[in-house]
Amino acid sequence: QSALTQPASVSGSPGQSITISCTGTSSDVGAYNYVSWYQQHPGKAPQLMIYDVTDRPSGVSNRFSASKSGNTASLTISGLQAEDEADYYCSSYTSSSTYVFGTGTKVTVL
Amino acid sequence: EVQLVESGGGLVQPGGSLRLSCAASGFTFSNYAMTWVRQAPGKGLEWVSLISGGGSSPYYSDSVKGRFTISRDNSRNTLYLQVNSLRVEDTAVYYCAKARNYYYGSGFDYWGQGVLLTVSS
Repeated sequence: QSALTQPASVSGSPGQSITISCTGTSSDVGAYNYVSWYQQHPGKAPQLMIYDVTDRPSGVSNRFSASKSGNTASLTISGLQAEDEADYYCSSYTSSSTYVFGTGTKVTVL
Repeated sequence: EVQLVESGGGLVQPGGSLRLSCAASGFTFSNYAMTWVRQAPGKGLEWVSLISGGGSSPYYSDSVKGRFTISRDNSRNTLYLQVNSLRVEDTAVYYCAKARNYYYGSGFDYWGQGVLLTVSS
């Protein structure tokens, strides 16, 4: 199972919006509405930011939103803040009853 | 408050074995699937294995199938990962995480702090 494809890095200025893409196949991202997004700060455990393509866990800022079209999912961070600087990973359930993570995207706040 | 605490990591020689544990608290453990995810130094996240809430349905990534065994003791609220035939490329921080569902599909909403497993001669 190959990792989902994400851009290595995305940057933006405070207050701007950025979007991270996550491209898979018809056997994972395109097959189910089971795409999740995780935020990871250096030296910390990942934190769930989005599940089931678009849903936010309680406590996660509504500045984080997500969507999916075909085999590509996207995470948008609006009103970028310094605390959003972190690594972001997408993940999808697959038709093999396994999971696959994305390659990861480093978000830099300029 | 949900807590997941991993233990059992350390330095192991190639070909060796170890058992990782994850003690859970703050939720009804048997109602949720649990998973292991690893992260090699400086690398991204890699899904390793998942087990359903009742323990009857384990799933593995191709990279560990046949070498790793996931299990759980719902009476002790503990998740395990038996790792055998270890390779240098198994070196990573291993995280346990709670799934949102009993079986599979949705995301992982709580994570432990991770435990380091180093495979080296």
